Amino acid sequence: GEDVEQSLFLSVREGDSSVINCTYTDSSSTYLYWYKQEPGAGLQLLTYIFSNMDMKQDQRLTVLLNKKDKHLSLRIADTQTGDSAIYFCAETDSWGKFQFGAGTQVVVTP
Amino acid sequence: GAVVSQHPSWVICKSGTSVKIECRSLDFQATTMFWYRQFPKQSLMLMATSNEGSKATYEQGVEKDKFLINHASLTLSTLTVTSAHPEDSSFYICSAQSGQFYEQYFGPGTRLTVT
Repeated sequence: GEDVEQSLFLSVREGDSSVINCTYTDSSSTYLYWYKQEPGAGLQLLTYIFSNMDMKQDQRLTVLLNKKDKHLSLRIADTQTGDSAIYFCAETDSWGKFQFGAGTQVVVTP
Repeated sequence: GAVVSQHPSWVICKSGTSVKIECRSLDFQATTMFWYRQFPKQSLMLMATSNEGSKATYEQGVEKDKFLINHASLTLSTLTVTSAHPEDSSFYICSAQSGQFYEQYFGPGTRLTVT
């Protein structure tokens, strides 16, 4: 099947920028997403990008998509303690079926 | 807007019993609802896709007789775990799609523990 891979852990100091990386294999991806999951909770959509775009910015969040390399990244500017969570990269194929990565645990230290 | 609720948020049941989990879209009609299972520190695994009024489509390896899905209306889908066993203990998350692929909203999840 198609895979979505991301690093498992990221530690960042409060105020610094965080960059979470993701790679995928499905060349028919339509949209790519970043979700945030806090302990014991469901997934919160942070942002998404259409597969024919290469960048999207939304306040502190910047998404970069390199379609040639099938690489997606999420940059969080001025990272805060409230940003500590698990971040999931996901993509939908042409049928709208979601494929999720394993999640990156982001820990923000003071 | 775009709120999806799940009930119950957590449930403990004895081995051999059945448990029903509800997923509701509170302020929109969901053309399609999805059920996922999440193991600790792992990603979400899609179990099945359900469309209102039709049979659910199950992913490979998911037992349809064990995980019964009913999508009775455009705002309600239920997942029944029949004859639950300890290995069914997991976090079950539903999502509801209102239109485009990116218009998919996730519920808060249901923690099932089978003793």
